Amino acid sequence: DAGITQSPRHKVTETGTPVTLRCHQTENHRYMYWYRQDPGHGLRLIHYSYGVKDTDKGEVSDGYSVSRSKTEDFLLTLESATSSQTSVYFCAISEVGERETQYFGPGTRLLVL
Amino acid sequence: AQSVAQPEDQVNVAEGNPLTVKCTYSVSGNPYLFWYVQYPNRGLQFLLKYITGDNLVKGSYGFEAEFNKSQTSFHLKKPSALVSDSALYFCAVRDAWNTGGFKTIFGAGTRLFVKA
Repeated sequence: DAGITQSPRHKVTETGTPVTLRCHQTENHRYMYWYRQDPGHGLRLIHYSYGVKDTDKGEVSDGYSVSRSKTEDFLLTLESATSSQTSVYFCAISEVGERETQYFGPGTRLLVL
Repeated sequence: AQSVAQPEDQVNVAEGNPLTVKCTYSVSGNPYLFWYVQYPNRGLQFLLKYITGDNLVKGSYGFEAEFNKSQTSFHLKKPSALVSDSALYFCAVRDAWNTGGFKTIFGAGTRLFVKA
């Protein structure tokens, strides 16, 4: 999975609790992304980063925040988890020179009860 | 605005037969087009892309895709399907004028079943 790890790989949490997912890359790529995957919706972009401390919102950013303090790490935080945030979350990376071909991590399966 | 459509939720094919997974797109300018595959409990893996040049693009695992500008399509093909090709396939598009991967739009996915 192209030098990308995600942790945890599986998590069960309760409604209202904060949750942080971590993405770590060893490729030194500039861009990092968080997507969620839900049946019938494909992949939807939550947030992305175009450099250290440079982040912006994607299509479905409500209820999520991100941080990137180092090139290799991109954190996704669910501020107060809701059942609608039950999903599979994927981190991806890309580099400008490759015309933004994205490489994906293995995913985190999150269940919010 | 840009969009991508995968008109088939599922494609069934017998092993050894040719397979096609369809994708159509809409962009304002020139398209960058991608195909990804997802095996169970794995992340998406890059298969191939069209940026410019030859309309027939060859990728990993014997897959190829044909860019058709007049039909705004980028169908994924393989001459002889294998059972191991069974997976979820995603088409993605980005308008060449929109810099940054965050502008890439993914289709809803097509599940391919290859029967032995």
